[in-house]
Amino acid sequence: GQQVMQIPQYQHVQEGEDFTTYCNSSTTLSNIQWYKQRPGGHPVFLIQLVKSGEVKKQKRLTFQFGEAKKNSSLHITATQTTDVGTYFCAGALMDSSYKLIFGSGTRLLVRP
Amino acid sequence: GAVVSQHPSWVICKSGTSVKIECRSLDFQATTMFWYRQFPKQSLMLMATSNEGSKATYEQGVEKDKFLINHASLTLSTLTVTSAHPEDSSFYICSARGAGGTWGSPLHFGNGTRLTVT
Repeated sequence: GQQVMQIPQYQHVQEGEDFTTYCNSSTTLSNIQWYKQRPGGHPVFLIQLVKSGEVKKQKRLTFQFGEAKKNSSLHITATQTTDVGTYFCAGALMDSSYKLIFGSGTRLLVRP
Repeated sequence: GAVVSQHPSWVICKSGTSVKIECRSLDFQATTMFWYRQFPKQSLMLMATSNEGSKATYEQGVEKDKFLINHASLTLSTLTVTSAHPEDSSFYICSARGAGGTWGSPLHFGNGTRLTVT
């Protein structure tokens, strides 16, 4: 079945350092979405990428969608303690199933 | 907009009993809702797609007789965990696409229900 892998599983950084998480799908995606889940909370939508090679920025966060629409990355510049949480990518399948397949997530901890 | 409310937030039940979890779209109509399950420090696993007025579509490996889904209206879907066992203890989260949401558009999640079966 379709799989979405995400690395690393876990990263612990010093506040001010950069952070990147990578997402790779076994199949071509219609679009990819990124969500953030704080400890004890529910996933919150961050952004959606649709076009091949698309790059979007939200303040210190930069999102990229690969040319083949099978991989994506999220880069955070100069992390802050408020960035703590688990970041999930979620791939929307090319068929009409309306399903999102979530990646395994990357848990980010930031040392103040 | 696009608020999804889930109730209860947490529940503890005895083995063998059934638990019902409600998911409501508060400010929009959701013809389709999705139920996910999340184990500690793991990803969200799609359990089933709930369709208003018709039967739910279950993912492979999910027992439809154990996890009963009812989507009786455009704003309410329920998940009933029947004859719960300790291995059913998990975090259950519902989600829906917002008003006018199209194929592949982002999901709005409820706050989740933490189920503990003793």
